[in-house]
Amino acid sequence: AQKITQTQPGMFVQEKEAVTLDCTYDTSDPSYGLFWYKQPSSGEMIFLIYQGSYDQQNATEGRYSLNFQKARKSANLVISASQLGDSAMYFCAMREVNAGNNRKLIWGLGTSLAVNP
Amino acid sequence: DTGVSQNPRHKITKRGQNVTFRCDPISEHNRLYWYRQTLGQGPEFLTYFQNEAQLEKSRLLSDRFSAERPKGSFSTLEIQRTEQGDSAMYLCASSPIQGPSYEQYFGPGTRLTVT
Repeated sequence: AQKITQTQPGMFVQEKEAVTLDCTYDTSDPSYGLFWYKQPSSGEMIFLIYQGSYDQQNATEGRYSLNFQKARKSANLVISASQLGDSAMYFCAMREVNAGNNRKLIWGLGTSLAVNP
Repeated sequence: DTGVSQNPRHKITKRGQNVTFRCDPISEHNRLYWYRQTLGQGPEFLTYFQNEAQLEKSRLLSDRFSAERPKGSFSTLEIQRTEQGDSAMYLCASSPIQGPSYEQYFGPGTRLTVT
């Protein structure tokens, strides 16, 4: 069964420093997608970055990059130059494609990131 | 371009009452998802629509839950005879039918409190 594991319940980082949030996944499907979402205290899920299982290069979106290590089944999120507004919950999710063409997301438990001034 | 909207944002109801939530997806998105998120957890999949067809329901969705998407536009999620265990954030997301990543765009959620 597909599974996402985020082992860091909480992380702290100093403003302007980089931070890595860990994510490992388990799937037997050769075709899958990995996502990171940010959830501020307001509750809305904000899409950050996507990595496809067949993508050769690590995804980058501005200050966000995804360290994709397929053999290790890990998809860690790296946030560079942290800002106070980065304080939020961060969720790793995996998209599975089943017979019904339902691209539902399987989610980890999340990591709470606090950026200190 | 407006994003996904959900109404109401907050709902407090007494146990045993019925509640209905509405989701308006991004207009060109064919796929619509409902998720439920309880405190300290990641979202859990509830149900999925492609246009007006409900193609999958999670086993989490008991007979008290029903979802519709008439005409393939907005969707409603109804919970009948609410229980305290239904207290959660209900998230709606939409995604395009084509594209390299099919990322899901989420609304602000409806927070349900059952007293």
